[in-house]
Amino acid sequence: GQQLNQSPQSMFIQEGEDVSMNCTSSSIFNTWLWYKQDPGEGPVLLIALYKAGELTSNGRLTAQFGITRKDSFLNISASIPSDVGIYFCAGQRGDYKLSFGAGTTVTVRA
Amino acid sequence: EAEVAQSPRYKITEKSQAVAFWCDPISGHATLYWYRQILGQGPELLVQFQDESVVDDSQLPKDRFSAERLKGVDSTLKIQPAELGDSAMYLCASTNLWGTGGEQYFGPGTRLTVT
Repeated sequence: GQQLNQSPQSMFIQEGEDVSMNCTSSSIFNTWLWYKQDPGEGPVLLIALYKAGELTSNGRLTAQFGITRKDSFLNISASIPSDVGIYFCAGQRGDYKLSFGAGTTVTVRA
Repeated sequence: EAEVAQSPRYKITEKSQAVAFWCDPISGHATLYWYRQILGQGPELLVQFQDESVVDDSQLPKDRFSAERLKGVDSTLKIQPAELGDSAMYLCASTNLWGTGGEQYFGPGTRLTVT
């Protein structure tokens, strides 16, 4: 079953805002992955983190692998409408199996 | 850019019927996964293949689900008989464990509705 806690569960963004979300676990992971899923589609890999403390960027996205190896966060800077979707964190153990969080739903504020 | 292919994209079936899903992983990816995703949740692993061999099917309901990857390339997941609770998105993912650190790449999924 899922072992990861993602927060917030949902958030509203306004274009241009920076947004952050995080993922915590009671277990240690070797790799953290962040995915984005649009309705009716499969998850798309955004960022992969391999080392505790690592900070990695992909365009306007920045993610960090927590020092304790039990958490990770994702930041989106200067959000745009196409950032809307569901963001999932996933922790990977040495057997390469993924455990997913329940997702953070990002919606545009009207 | 190489992608994981899945078909069909959508399937509606009546309970007690048989249904099958197909997946073609990224070329060269030896490891293939089938996941089930219930609305509002993250994907959950059903079965993992390394080449043609099952590595882990501990979460696969074997009384009704079966999966095969006969030649170590494409794979089929079957449900027989389908139950109402099987309605979900079925996702296939693949990885080249030795080349990319185990990053998994997902296909577009098959949305199953059991009526």
